[in-house]
Amino acid sequence: SQQGEEDPQALSIQEGENATMNCSYKTSINNLQWYRQNSGRGLVHLILIRSNEREKHSGRLRVTLDTSKKSSSLLITASRAADTASYFCATEEFGNEKLTFGTGTRLTIIP
Amino acid sequence: DAGVTQSPTHLIKTRGQQVTLRCSPKSGHDTVSWYQQALGQGPQFIFQYYEEEERQRGNFPDRFSGHQFPNYSSELNVNALLLGDSALYLCASSSIQHYNSPLHFGNGTRLTVT
Repeated sequence: SQQGEEDPQALSIQEGENATMNCSYKTSINNLQWYRQNSGRGLVHLILIRSNEREKHSGRLRVTLDTSKKSSSLLITASRAADTASYFCATEEFGNEKLTFGTGTRLTIIP
Repeated sequence: DAGVTQSPTHLIKTRGQQVTLRCSPKSGHDTVSWYQQALGQGPQFIFQYYEEEERQRGNFPDRFSGHQFPNYSSELNVNALLLGDSALYLCASSSIQHYNSPLHFGNGTRLTVT
């Protein structure tokens, strides 16, 4: 079963704008990860945030984690056409190495 | 440095048949996990292999089985295929020594059951 939901399910923005997508989950976690998937191909890891971290940056990506609300957000700044993809959050529980994925946000960048 | 490789890329099978999917992990990785991704859904964990043994298993029936070889490569076998088994099957590798590290995914095998 899916761990939680991503919001929105789909998002279309103009190139250069910022994109924000949210993820909610249900259980206590060890870490939360964001992955990108292009056209039904393999997943590419973007960023991992541990449960004791609140914010993390990687290039144009910014991830926040609120464990009290069991939620995370991914911000992509200055979007590019190449950012068009599906984005998934995935949680890893303590002592359980499997990842539980959300339902994904489909991001479309309009040139 | 090769990443995770999966074969075949596409496969069409008939209901009731059996299928074997293959995965070679990223160099230096010793743990292989398999995920099933139905169309429009997020991946769902099938099982994980380490030291040639199944360490964890998701909510999948016994029709789904696997194997890991001494060179860390892995196979996923599905027996008595159902239409609902049509999905993208993803293999991911990691190193048991690297806690809190992300998974490296292959490009998947697209299985269509008719």
